[in-house]
Amino acid sequence: QEKVQQSPESLIVPEGAMSSLNCTFSNSASQSIWWYQQHPGKGPEALISIFSNGNKKEGRLTVYLNRASLHVSLHIRDSQPSDSAVYLCAVGDSNYQLIWGSGTKLIIKP
Amino acid sequence: DMKVTQMPRYLIKRMGENVLLECGQDMSHETMYWYRQDPGLGLQLIYISYDVDSNSEGDIPKGYRVSRKKREHFSLILDSAKTNQTSVYFCASSLGQGAGNTLYFGEGSRLIVV
Repeated sequence: QEKVQQSPESLIVPEGAMSSLNCTFSNSASQSIWWYQQHPGKGPEALISIFSNGNKKEGRLTVYLNRASLHVSLHIRDSQPSDSAVYLCAVGDSNYQLIWGSGTKLIIKP
Repeated sequence: DMKVTQMPRYLIKRMGENVLLECGQDMSHETMYWYRQDPGLGLQLIYISYDVDSNSEGDIPKGYRVSRKKREHFSLILDSAKTNQTSVYFCASSLGQGAGNTLYFGEGSRLIVV
C-alpha cells in the first residue's frame, strides 16, 4: 500500500520567513497529491493540489513535485502567525483514495 | 454555505456501550467518508459511501458500521465500543469519487471510551 512520510515533525519559523515542508511517497504512479491545513480542534482544509511533475504556485504557496524522487514539498512565502497549524500531505493511491501522512506542525514565531 | 456538520462534538462512553456519530452536509455531495485521527498517525479511512445505501469498507472497518439513507446524511455506528476506539472521528464529503476531488471536513467528534 502507498506510504506517505512527512518531515520535519515540527518546524518553528520566524514571521515573514519562508516555511518549507516535505513529503515522500512510495509509488511514482500516484495520481494526485494534496496539502491540507488543520488548525487545533478543527477539521483539515484543502490548501493546494498538484497532479503533474513540476511546480504550482497559488498566492503565497508553492508546491514542487518530483515523481522520480518520490518527493513533494510545500513552501509558504512570508509566513504569518495565522499559518501556524498542522499541515497534512495526502497522496492518491491505486484505488484512487487518499493516503495521509502524519503531519508537520508549523509554528510561526512573531 | 458549504458545510459539513458533525454531532456530537464530544462524547464519553463506557466500554460495551453503543455509539452513534452523525454527519450532515449541505453541498449535495455524492461521496462521504468517515476517518479517524490518532496522534502520530495519518487520517485512517474507516468507510466510504458513494451514495445512498452504497457503502464500502475503508482500511480499518472492523468494529464499525455505517448508514446512509439520505444523500446529505452519513452515520457511523460503534456497536459495543472498545477502549481502543478512543479517537477523533472526522466526516468528510466530496463532489465526486477519487483522489482528484477536494474533501470537505467537519470539525470532528472526539470520542473517549472508558
